[in-house]
Parts: sequence; structure tokens; C-alpha cells
Amino acid sequence: GAGVSQSPRYKVAKRGQDVALRCDPISGHVSLFWYQQALGQGPEFLTYFQNEAQLDKSGLPSDRFFAERPEGSVSTLKIQRTQQEDSAVYLCASSKRTSGGKSSYEQYFGPGTRLTVT
Amino acid sequence: AQSVTQLDSHVSVSEGTPVLLRCNYSSSYSPSLFWYVQHPNKGLQLLLKYTSAATLVKGINGFEAEFKKSETSFHLTKPSAHMSDAAEYFCVVTPGGTGFQKLVFGTGTRLLVSP
Repeated sequence: GAGVSQSPRYKVAKRGQDVALRCDPISGHVSLFWYQQALGQGPEFLTYFQNEAQLDKSGLPSDRFFAERPEGSVSTLKIQRTQQEDSAVYLCASSKRTSGGKSSYEQYFGPGTRLTVT
Repeated sequence: AQSVTQLDSHVSVSEGTPVLLRCNYSSSYSPSLFWYVQHPNKGLQLLLKYTSAATLVKGINGFEAEFKKSETSFHLTKPSAHMSDAAEYFCVVTPGGTGFQKLVFGTGTRLLVSP
């Protein structure tokens, strides 16, 4: 079956440009996560949605980062006025749910979007 | 707060020899622990998970890990390495129990497998 897909796979932006990164989760998955992976590092949590509700955005590094999931399916991560330090791979993951029941904890990851800010 | 420490940034083995990737965790609660693998230009894939059932956990592709509470460790092993095992491996922790399960990743261990 189809996994998590992300687009674009690669994005080059000039400093100061706005970018939008898309995530299509696995159909029926309630929970959606965004992570940022800098070069040579492990992924770091950015934000979490349960259906259309953004329940945690504590990992967003600044107010230039904004995420939405208006219909509880596709999500978009937007970065305004990109800076060089925003260069990273942005990973999206989805899971059936995250509360109750151990088997629900598995998160399925997309291939990521590699953002390079020049 | 939860965290994991991966003790080796790189591990080199020969094909057919055992693999040991080390991970220590810190958690205020009974944690859930995972190992994920990342091949170049591919998404993270779950190898195995520990969620307070059996302490010895078997995963895909012959990998297994043992949860040792007394040592706060969750080391990943495989009896015999294959060339296809060469990848980046991440140890991951969540706080366990119910509620929102943010994954906290280690810094990763790159496994190199030589012929």
C-alpha cells in the first residue's frame, strides 16, 4: 500500500524566500508529525497534529515556521523568509493514533524534503 | 525529560561478523524504545520496538535488542552482518504510557560493512 509521501523531494531557496513543504500521510492515519533533521544529526520534533488540531508546536524553531492540516489529511509546513540555518531535511511521519494502546505508537516516515537555502 | 545517547558515531564490521550498536537512555517514566534505520535517500524504517513486554525484542532483518533497566541500555545486535545493513541507525525514546508520543532521537550510528 501507499506510504507517506512528501513533495518536493528537493527544494533550493534563496535566503528570504518563502517555501511550502507538503506531506501526504497514510490514508486513515489520525496523527501527523513533522521533524527537522540537520546534516549529521538525528531528527528533531517540530510539531504534531491529531486530525486537524495542532496539539503541540513546541519544536518549531521560530515564528517563521507554520504548519497546517486543515482537513485532517494533507499537511503543509511553511517557512517564511528562509535563513541558511533552515537548511535541513524535513521529515513527515504519520501514525494511526498516539494515545492508548502500545501498538499505536509506530510512526511511519516519508522520504523527506531536503531544503537548501543559499 | 527523555533522551538517548548513542555511544558510537561510526561502527565498522566485516560481512558475516556480529553487529553491536550501543544505546543508553534516560527517562523519568517507563519508556518505550525503538531502533530506526535510515538508508540513503530513503525514509526512516522501524527495526524494532520495546513497549514493556518482553525485554528481548526481535525485529526485522535479523536484528534484536535487549532492554536492561538496571543499565538503562537498549543495545542493538545482529549475529551476522550483511552488506545491505550498511546505513544510519537511530535509537529513539518516548516517555511511555498514554498520551502524545513525541519521538526523541539519538544522534545516530553509521554502520559500515566491508566485504
